[in-house]
Amino acid sequence: KQEVTQIPAALSVPEGENLVLNCSFTDSAIYNLQWFRQDPGKGLTSLLLIQSSQREQTSGRLNASLDKSSGRSTLYIAASQPGDSATYLCAAYSSDYKLSFGAGTTVTVRA
Amino acid sequence: GAGVSQSPSNKVTEKGKDVELRCDPISGHTALYWYRQSLGQGLEFLIYFQGNSAPDKSGLPSDRFSAERTGGSVSTLTIQRTQQEDSAVYLCASRRTGTGHNEQFFGPGTRLTVL
Repeated sequence: KQEVTQIPAALSVPEGENLVLNCSFTDSAIYNLQWFRQDPGKGLTSLLLIQSSQREQTSGRLNASLDKSSGRSTLYIAASQPGDSATYLCAAYSSDYKLSFGAGTTVTVRA
Repeated sequence: GAGVSQSPSNKVTEKGKDVELRCDPISGHTALYWYRQSLGQGLEFLIYFQGNSAPDKSGLPSDRFSAERTGGSVSTLTIQRTQQEDSAVYLCASRRTGTGHNEQFFGPGTRLTVL
């Protein structure tokens, strides 16, 4: 069974600082990896999807890398803003596209 | 186009009652997934429908939980004799199958509270 771990569980940084969120997974035979954002009481917003053949994806200030051999993915958020405060979830796709989620990293960006 | 929709958005019920949660996937998406997000448990897979194949029910926590998908579109998740530990946000996602169609799209969820 795929186990997904996210470290740290919580992170507080001053505005402008770069954020580094870590995700690790036990089964390297993943198909894809996806990062989501969740605001309190809200659903999931997809941020980046990294296909199994890719090593990274970028969207604006966000960059996500994937290293299947080491079972790791990292989400970088450049020049953080208070609006980036949310919980960030990492999820690994199995061969039948079921998702295994990490517990999330709750980010607070202080103005 | 319309995304995945779920209803109701919130449901409060008494312990022991049955509840039905509805998911309308994106038109043309043949794969449909249900997940549950509980406090302290994170997001967990419940059940997966793919076209006309038998559903993958491996994530259902007990036989009080069941789901069906009619006409390959709308899905209903039913919880019988609800318990307080069933309180959670239930999320539905759909996916277009075929080469290159990998991403699941999530609905806003149904928040279930069992008193």
